[in-house]
Amino acid sequence: GQNIDQPTEMTATEGAIVQINCTYQTSGFNGLFWYQQHAGEAPTFLSYNVLDGLEEKGRFSSFLSRSKGYSYLLLKELQMKDSASYLCAAMDSNYQLIWGAGTKLIIKP
Amino acid sequence: IAGITQAPTSQILAAGRRMTLRCTQDMRHNAMYWYRQDLGLGLRLIHYSNTAGTTGKGEVPDGYSVSRANTDDFPLTLASAVPSQTSVYFCASSDSAGVSDTQYFGPGTRLTVL
Repeated sequence: GQNIDQPTEMTATEGAIVQINCTYQTSGFNGLFWYQQHAGEAPTFLSYNVLDGLEEKGRFSSFLSRSKGYSYLLLKELQMKDSASYLCAAMDSNYQLIWGAGTKLIIKP
Repeated sequence: IAGITQAPTSQILAAGRRMTLRCTQDMRHNAMYWYRQDLGLGLRLIHYSNTAGTTGKGEVPDGYSVSRANTDDFPLTLASAVPSQTSVYFCASSDSAGVSDTQYFGPGTRLTVL
């Protein structure tokens, strides 16, 4: 079956760095997406990886290892506004997204 | 308007009633999707449309129907609502289907079925 695993909740301190891990198992693979979702709002796109390696975009970076079925999202210089849920989604062979349940990130001052 | 709009924002519905959730996009995207989001679960695909005039079933299609008469609109209908359909419903769109295009989401409809 198809499955995405990510931690349910993480806590970090303002100004620090946090890494949110995601493992996936899909029938075929056409890329890995990360979305941010603030409480009561819609998911918004953060990053897309299809090749192995690290993609950096400002304070956010995303890493992919296709051989290990593994990705992580790295958030640097955490700000209070980064408190949100972070959704990992893998695109399968039919180009449909398989979603994880999301990681709720709590930032403490 | 810019992006995707959904209506209503929220709704309380008696079980057995018929309800249509509306979704409109102005980005001229070919593909559109309906998801439901429940606590502790990932987004689950209900129905999708790769282009105007075509629709397909997702992971959880039972009790729902869709139509795609034109590029912009993709309504979702619950023929006879049941309490298990209480959820937050998100409409999304992407430029194309069959490629790794980013999906963009509407603000969601919070539906409660009593």
